[in-house]
Amino acid sequence: AQKVTQAQTEISVVEKEDVTLDCVYETRDTTYYLFWYKQPPSGELVFLIRRNSFDEQNEISGRYSWNFQKSTSSFNFTITASQVVDSAVYFCALSEASNYGQNFVFGPGTRLSVLP
Amino acid sequence: NAGVTQTPKFRILKIGQSMTLQCTQDMNHNYMYWYRQDPGMGLKLIYYSVGAGITDKGEVPNGYNVSRSTTEDFPLRLELAAPSQTSVYFCASSYSPGSFGSYTFGSGTRLTVV
Repeated sequence: AQKVTQAQTEISVVEKEDVTLDCVYETRDTTYYLFWYKQPPSGELVFLIRRNSFDEQNEISGRYSWNFQKSTSSFNFTITASQVVDSAVYFCALSEASNYGQNFVFGPGTRLSVLP
Repeated sequence: NAGVTQTPKFRILKIGQSMTLQCTQDMNHNYMYWYRQDPGMGLKLIYYSVGAGITDKGEVPNGYNVSRSTTEDFPLRLELAAPSQTSVYFCASSYSPGSFGSYTFGSGTRLTVV
């Protein structure tokens, strides 16, 4: 069965520090999709990135970068030069192509606090 | 604005009461989902639909019902509210289950059962 683990429950950093949020997933499918979502204190879910299992290229978007490694089943998220506005809960999620609907599985989330 | 609209945003129910959480999307997405998020936890799938007239259970369906009479609407029904259903409920939609774009989430409904 599919599973997403985010071992870091809470992380606190000081503004301008770099921080990496870990995500480890389990799946038997060869085709799957990985996501990161941000949930700020206001409560909405904000899509950050989607990555399919055939694309292991790392991605950078501004201060955000993602490191996808199939060999370790990890999809880690790094924020460079963190800012107070980055404070939120971040969720990693997995969707298997073979079993749509029932398998968009979220990790438990990592609460990031960026202190001024 | 295009997207997923959920109503109401907040609701307090007494034990045993019923209510319907509304969800509407205007993106012509086939797939729609209901999740619940308990305090300090990730999201769990309650029900999902792959198109009008087709629904199926997710991980935690007990105590809920859904219907999908149109592509746009996917209401979630609580028949006999229980304190265990106190949660934040998110509706989401997608064109397909992951191959195109991302899931779009509504802003959530915070439900408290007392």
